[in-house]
Amino acid sequence: GAVVSQHPSRVICKSGTSVKIECRSLDFQATTMFWYRQFPKQSLMLMATSNEGSKATYEQGVEKDKFLINHASLTLSTLTVTSAHPEDSSFYICSARPLAGFVNYGYTFGSGTRLTVV
Amino acid sequence: AQKVTQAQTEISVVEKEDVTLDCVYETRDTTYYLFWYKQPPSGELVFLIRRNSFDEQNEISGRYSWNFQKSTSSFNFTITASQVVDSAVYFCALSNNAGNMLTFGGGTRLMVKP
Repeated sequence: GAVVSQHPSRVICKSGTSVKIECRSLDFQATTMFWYRQFPKQSLMLMATSNEGSKATYEQGVEKDKFLINHASLTLSTLTVTSAHPEDSSFYICSARPLAGFVNYGYTFGSGTRLTVV
Repeated sequence: AQKVTQAQTEISVVEKEDVTLDCVYETRDTTYYLFWYKQPPSGELVFLIRRNSFDEQNEISGRYSWNFQKSTSSFNFTITASQVVDSAVYFCALSNNAGNMLTFGGGTRLMVKP
């Protein structure tokens, strides 16, 4: 089955530093990847949608200069949290939509990254 | 615009009880997909089911069953004979036909006590 690998699973960083999260589709090509953020006891909120080779589309209220998304290939998308602050501490999770066809395969989610900024 | 409402934020049951998680959705699309995901404490999302808008047949998978009622825009999820391992947050979600937009409900935290 389709697998999405997300790394790291947990990261603790100091305030002001940058953190990169990788989302990789292991056995399929993903035209589109989605990045979500989930605060404790809340639902998943879409941050941005990235298509391979083009700029990401950010949801309202999400700072594109703070959350840099790169989708350079059909199997890899990265989210970089720049100049992280404690309020960026959250659970980040990616999702991939396959090139082969959403109708048949749906979405595949990574296992998530728990970011703690101290 | 799409919207998914899970009115029950928390449900607590005793093991072996049946429990139904409600999901109501709004969309202007005629073709769409509905999903249920389970999120255990570890955080990953576990896919449970996907249903397209043209398939209103109810589905049963072991202790899980789903009731899709297009007339009331609902896609409810029932766990029969609940077990402690069913304790998790469950999300209902709605996607458009192209799959480029997935909207989650607020989630229902299910606690199954021994």
